[in-house]
Amino acid sequence: EVQLVESGGGLVQPGGSLRLSCAASGFTFSSYDMHWVRQATGKGLEWVSAIGTAGDTYYPGSVKGRFTISRENAKNSLYLQMNSLRAGDTAVYYCARVRSSSGAFDIWGQGTMVTVSS
Amino acid sequence: DIQMTQSPSTLSASVGDRVTITCRASQSISSWLAWYQQKPGKAPKLLIYKASSLESGVPSRFSGSGSGTEFTLTISSLQPDDFATYYCQQYNSYSRLTFGGGTKVEIK
Repeated sequence: EVQLVESGGGLVQPGGSLRLSCAASGFTFSSYDMHWVRQATGKGLEWVSAIGTAGDTYYPGSVKGRFTISRENAKNSLYLQMNSLRAGDTAVYYCARVRSSSGAFDIWGQGTMVTVSS
Repeated sequence: DIQMTQSPSTLSASVGDRVTITCRASQSISSWLAWYQQKPGKAPKLLIYKASSLESGVPSRFSGSGSGTEFTLTISSLQPDDFATYYCQQYNSYSRLTFGGGTKVEIK
């Protein structure tokens, strides 16, 4: 079964750091671009970062310089290192796979909650 | 960044109704548009990609159309399982992906 499972969420103080993980199974992880998308409670979806199969990375302005996406193909794992966290970063964080033939997010994880609060 | 504007933000409909949701892009995105369905507490589910291609396993009552800056998602006959929130997403600019604000389909 094709699956993505996130972990690492929790409560962190403003200015703190957190590292999210996403474990992939059921497909050849190294062959797919991977992304992180977040959703604040009651709000819409916001793209957070992307990493290509060659390790190229992309970020929106809201997290650039604070968040770092990485992957470890040998472990079928995706990561998101989040530094200098703010209250506005509070959200459910999803990892998602892009199927190259469609260009869209065809597989999503169940999400992990990150709460930034003192 | 490309802005995606969905309308309406909320839609009240009955089972069996034909439902149309619109998504407008602030600049042309060709056909690089996807539609997702999200239910409370769940991850989004891909319905349509490349503006009009139906994802495998998605019922044929869902269809997408449009290109350039204006797109629509149509549900031909609304079913009880379809009450959810729907999002459009552009992927014309891979380094600047953006979603619409969402359309909540409620029971009338």
